[in-house]
Amino acid sequence: ELKVEQNPLFLSMQEGKNYTIYCNYSTTSDRLYWYRQDPGKSLESLFVLLSNGAVKQEGRLMASLDTKARLSTLHITAAVHDLSATYFCAGDGAGSYQLTFGKGTKLSVIP
Amino acid sequence: GAGVSQSPRYKVAKRGQDVALRCDPISGHVSLFWYQQALGQGPEFLTYFQNEAQLDKSGLPSDRFFAERPEGSVSTLKIQRTQQEDSAVYLCASSFAGGLDNEQFFGPGTRLTVL
Repeated sequence: ELKVEQNPLFLSMQEGKNYTIYCNYSTTSDRLYWYRQDPGKSLESLFVLLSNGAVKQEGRLMASLDTKARLSTLHITAAVHDLSATYFCAGDGAGSYQLTFGKGTKLSVIP
Repeated sequence: GAGVSQSPRYKVAKRGQDVALRCDPISGHVSLFWYQQALGQGPEFLTYFQNEAQLDKSGLPSDRFFAERPEGSVSTLKIQRTQQEDSAVYLCASSFAGGLDNEQFFGPGTRLTVL
């Protein structure tokens, strides 16, 4: 059974700073996903990582995947207030379609 | 463009009532998923359809929960004899099963409150 752990669960950072959110998963996962959720809203897909060494970037966010370490990271560069949200990582296991989510990282960017 | 839609957006039920939650997936998406998200938690898988076939219902918490997708498009999640612990946001997601990335697109959710 796939388990996904994120840390930290809460992150308060100043604008302009860099930080990384970590996502560990327990068993093989074909794909690794990152989602963003604003309060009271649904999940917005940010990245889908398909293979070892995959790196994807969008604006101030960059996601990477190390399948050997079963670790994905979401790096935030020069944070701005608009990035304040909860970020979830999720895996779909091996040969499965259902997503198993971490508990989420609630990010607050302080001016 | 049309995304995944869900209705109602909010539902208040008295304990013991039956509720029905509707999901309209993105047109052409073969796969449909239901997830339950408790307050402050990540979504948890409930059930999965490919077209009209329910291929996995391992996440349904009890036999009070029932889902269907009779024509392979719209899906309904029904909860019978609701209990307070059923209070959560119910999210529907769809994906184009043929895609390599299995990217799932989520609807806005239905927030169910059981009094």
